[in-house]
Amino acid sequence: QVQLQESGPGLVKPSETLSLTCTVSGDSISNYYWSWIRQPPGKGLEWVGSISSTGSTDYNPSLKSRVTVSLDTSKNKFSLQLSSVTAADTAVYYCTRLSSWFGCFDSWGQGALVTVSS
Amino acid sequence: EIVLTQSPGTLSLSPGERATLSCTASQTVNINYLAWYQQKPGQAPRLLIYGASSRATGIPDRFSGSGSATDFTLTISRLEPEDFAVYYCQQYGSSPLFTFGPGTKVDIK
Repeated sequence: QVQLQESGPGLVKPSETLSLTCTVSGDSISNYYWSWIRQPPGKGLEWVGSISSTGSTDYNPSLKSRVTVSLDTSKNKFSLQLSSVTAADTAVYYCTRLSSWFGCFDSWGQGALVTVSS
Repeated sequence: EIVLTQSPGTLSLSPGERATLSCTASQTVNINYLAWYQQKPGQAPRLLIYGASSRATGIPDRFSGSGSATDFTLTISRLEPEDFAVYYCQQYGSSPLFTFGPGTKVDIK
């Protein structure tokens, strides 16, 4: 059974870059698509971006100018970078496995709360 | 952009009752690409239904999904205590590629 675990700083200063890593265990990262989804405190879910096993990416247009998702197949990890953050980027960030057959997120990490504050 | 609307916002029911949750899309959604998730406080969402009507692995058969085009429904036939949670629908296929509805909270009456 695949397991995903987010890691990274829980506090980021405004205008800086948020960086998170997702470590995948129980399956090869080369077999699937992977995604980041975020959830501001008390609010709903927002898709951030996705990456295929070959490194092809798709991003939410509302974040596209600031987002980079990358893959490290040698370490079975994938990462998120979000630049020029503001308080509006404060959220729980989830890494997920994407089922490309059905366009849904079938496995989720526990989530990492990232707060943007000086 | 396809906007998903969920109703009601909150559903207050008792254990053993039937829950019917609605998800309406602003444009037609490919039936293969409509999913439902359950989220409990402090937990990550869990996939319940994919392809509008297929249960994900390990999901009890009291959960069922139906619908097509712009109108989709999640039904919980008999609510168990562990079913009180927030439920989200999600679509794939239109820019942005993935969107979620705002959620329906099912709470104890």
